[in-house]
Amino acid sequence: DVKVTQSSRYLVKRTGEKVFLECVQDMDHENMFWYRQDPGLGLRLIYFSYDVKMKEKGDIPEGYSVSREKKERFSLILESASTNQTSMYLCASTSPAGNSYEQYFGPGTRLTVT
Amino acid sequence: AQSVTQLDSHVSVSEGTPVLLRCNYSSSYSPSLFWYVQHPNKGLQLLLKYTSAATLVKGINGFEAEFKKSETSFHLTKPSAHMSDAAEYFCVVRSNDYKLSFGAGTTVTVRA
Repeated sequence: DVKVTQSSRYLVKRTGEKVFLECVQDMDHENMFWYRQDPGLGLRLIYFSYDVKMKEKGDIPEGYSVSREKKERFSLILESASTNQTSMYLCASTSPAGNSYEQYFGPGTRLTVT
Repeated sequence: AQSVTQLDSHVSVSEGTPVLLRCNYSSSYSPSLFWYVQHPNKGLQLLLKYTSAATLVKGINGFEAEFKKSETSFHLTKPSAHMSDAAEYFCVVRSNDYKLSFGAGTTVTVRA
């Protein structure tokens, strides 16, 4: 059974704190993604990675950075958290092999910045 | 660039009646299209996908969707709604570089 796990389901941080969100997949997927989900906006892509140590900006990268030191792990970093980063954060992974177009999602981390 | 528009933010149906969730897409080439479902406090789950094979796609839990190129639509249907279908549904288009573009979502309420 495929699995994407995220380090926390709920997180509360203060404005200005550095925040790390961790994502791990056990499917040996090359591609990994970070999204944020807000009501009425669907999911928006923050960053993605095609391989270890590679990263690409998505549609809303401002205020975020990422790290991919190992194939199975993709971290999202909020350098200085702000209240407008309060959101649900979802990690996903996929493999470009064959016709595997499906992205597998983790359960999400609901982050509140106060 | 690829994008999708979900035409209804909320849909309310009675149990046992048909469900229709509307989605229009914009793509510069033949798209790959998906419907995902998210139940309350649960992760996203793939319902079905269209990848240039049959235009009528069957998914899990009795859902199906029809790809209509002339109408640039990919509407999701189910003949008979069940209480467990109450969830948020997302229409999604995939680009060549494996990025997904999500619609804003449609919340489905099922009345007993």
